[in-house]
Amino acid sequence: GQSLEQPSEVTAVEGAIVQINCTYQTSGFYGLSWYQQHDGGAPTFLSYNALDGLEETGRFSSFLSRSDSYGYLLLQELQMKDSASYFCAVMDSSYKLIFGSGTRLLVRP
Amino acid sequence: GAVVSQHPSRVICKSGTSVKIECRSLDFQATTMFWYRQFPKQSLMLMATSNEGSKATYEQGVEKDKFLINHASLTLSTLTVTSAHPEDSSFYICSASPGDPEAFFGQGTRLTVV
Repeated sequence: GQSLEQPSEVTAVEGAIVQINCTYQTSGFYGLSWYQQHDGGAPTFLSYNALDGLEETGRFSSFLSRSDSYGYLLLQELQMKDSASYFCAVMDSSYKLIFGSGTRLLVRP
Repeated sequence: GAVVSQHPSRVICKSGTSVKIECRSLDFQATTMFWYRQFPKQSLMLMATSNEGSKATYEQGVEKDKFLINHASLTLSTLTVTSAHPEDSSFYICSASPGDPEAFFGQGTRLTVV
């Protein structure tokens, strides 16, 4: 089976940096993705790591260590609109995604 | 980016009736689509993989006779919740990918069974 663990909630202030960790146990690992979901909305893609290392996309960066079955999402210069749920997801070779439990991020003024 | 459209966005039905949800890829062909279910403040749980021209692959614990999936064309997959009951009330959402790791999600369907 597959399981992913991430913190349930994180609170940070506007302008700060926050890191959301994700550990996984899986078979058929192809890559680790991150998605953002606002309440009532659809998930939107943030980043994807297939190889070890850091991927940077604007204010968001994602890291993967395959040997440690670990990744994280780094959000910089936090804005109020970043308050949302963030999910890590393991992708297999058929593009099937298995999602983690999600981390609710609350950004305070 | 690619566009996936899901319809309806909200539906209320009576217990015992069936509800059909459509998922369309608008600007790309999708041989595979995925159906998820999400309860409030919880994660997305993969229900099944919808395969164009063949039977869907259901995840463990998902009743295939209750959640009928039809993927009749390269741009359309449908999920029918049969004999719906209040415990089937949930947020159902589909996704597809044009062939890269980024998955595109439909807007989701909030089903309420009364």
